[in-house]
Amino acid sequence: AQKVTQAQTEISVVEKEDVTLDCVYETRDTTYYLFWYKQPPSGELVFLIRRNSFDEQNEISGRYSWNFQKSTSSFNFTITASQVVDSAVYFCALIRYNNDMRFGAGTRLTVKP
Amino acid sequence: DAMVIQNPRYQVTQFGKPVTLSCSQTLNHNVMYWYQQKSSQAPKLLFHYYDKDFNNEADTPDNFQSRRPNTSFCFLDIRSPGLGDAAMYLCATSRERRPKADNEQFFGPGTRLTVL
Repeated sequence: AQKVTQAQTEISVVEKEDVTLDCVYETRDTTYYLFWYKQPPSGELVFLIRRNSFDEQNEISGRYSWNFQKSTSSFNFTITASQVVDSAVYFCALIRYNNDMRFGAGTRLTVKP
Repeated sequence: DAMVIQNPRYQVTQFGKPVTLSCSQTLNHNVMYWYQQKSSQAPKLLFHYYDKDFNNEADTPDNFQSRRPNTSFCFLDIRSPGLGDAAMYLCATSRERRPKADNEQFFGPGTRLTVL
């Protein structure tokens, strides 16, 4: 079975703090893709990053970084020096070979000024 | 520059009154998806079209139907909306059905449906 778990339902930080959003996944497939999406209050899901199962290289994009570890089936997302505009719900998702996308329950991040 | 467009953004209907939500895309993608997202929950896939090939999820109620008259447009029809169908409905597209390096799903802004 495919499953994505985001154990943190809500996180609240003060601006400029670093914050890590956890994502743990389960799949029996050897080929799969992992995604992070941001959903601001406006509702649209905004694509942040994609990783395939054969690429464990970590990635940094500005204040965002992602840590993919197959050994622990985790794909964690860190925001450095958080800003109020980072406030949103963040979804981790897993896509199998047939493009069946499974979302985690989401983590609501609130960044206070 | 909107790529996946959903109209209307907010829709109010009455219990049992059929309603249609629309989605259009300028990306010329082969695949279009409809998701239901209830409050504080993850999006749940209802069905998708690969070109004209319709693929229904096993647990999608019969009350939900879809039409794709051409590549650009896809409609979600709710034949007899119940109170439990109140949700955000998200449309998404992808180039192909099989995941590849550049095959992420692009989402529209969603239509929030209220059932009175």
